Amino acid sequence: SYVLTQPPSVSVAPGQTAKIACGGNKIGDKRVHWYQQMPGQAPVVVVFDDSDRPSGIPDRFSGSNSGSAATLTISRVEAGDEADYYCQVWDSASDQYVFGPGTTVTVL
Amino acid sequence: VQLVESGGGVVQPGGSLRLSCGASGFTFRNYGMHWVRQAPGKGPEWVTFIGSDGDDKYYKDSVKGRFTISRDNSKNMLYLQMTSLRPEDAAMYYCAKGGHRGHLEWSLDYWGQGSLVTVSS
Repeated sequence: SYVLTQPPSVSVAPGQTAKIACGGNKIGDKRVHWYQQMPGQAPVVVVFDDSDRPSGIPDRFSGSNSGSAATLTISRVEAGDEADYYCQVWDSASDQYVFGPGTTVTVL
Repeated sequence: VQLVESGGGVVQPGGSLRLSCGASGFTFRNYGMHWVRQAPGKGPEWVTFIGSDGDDKYYKDSVKGRFTISRDNSKNMLYLQMTSLRPEDAAMYYCAKGGHRGHLEWSLDYWGQGSLVTVSS
């Protein structure tokens, strides 16, 4: 089955940039989606189709996908960005939807 | 868009439970739907998907043969019948809106608030 990898944690100072990588076999061939989850709440999509943003999501959130990894970038990080972030893809080879293990973003 | 889950509760190992999800705010019959679960302290785990017309169904390997997803487009309802429940099935179960007709690769763009399933003797 398809496996996604993410770093367990990322720490960043306010105003700086956080980058979260999501790795997987030939991930560049897939559409990658990113979800933010606050404690006690359901996940919310912050980037879909590699780099698109839903309405209402600040343009500080951006995404890219090429080669061996997809990346979620959070620019000008704010305290309110502290959350868990998950990447997700559809794997057509196995007919399974796959989530990454998640990355906890801590704002210092 | 609003998704409201119900039907969770405490069940003994080997028991059964049926979750429901009521949908509103979008044309339900045009979209695939998912169930995703999340155990305490863990990340989301996709469980199953059903296509817009109910014909296409996909399941996580560990629930195949035990869980059944279904929908009633006339009532804007999504269901998850769970049988032979195991302790490792205990989790918050979310329903989530998927892609428009056949677009399996779309994101899960709206989620409910979840229904808690506890499997314990």
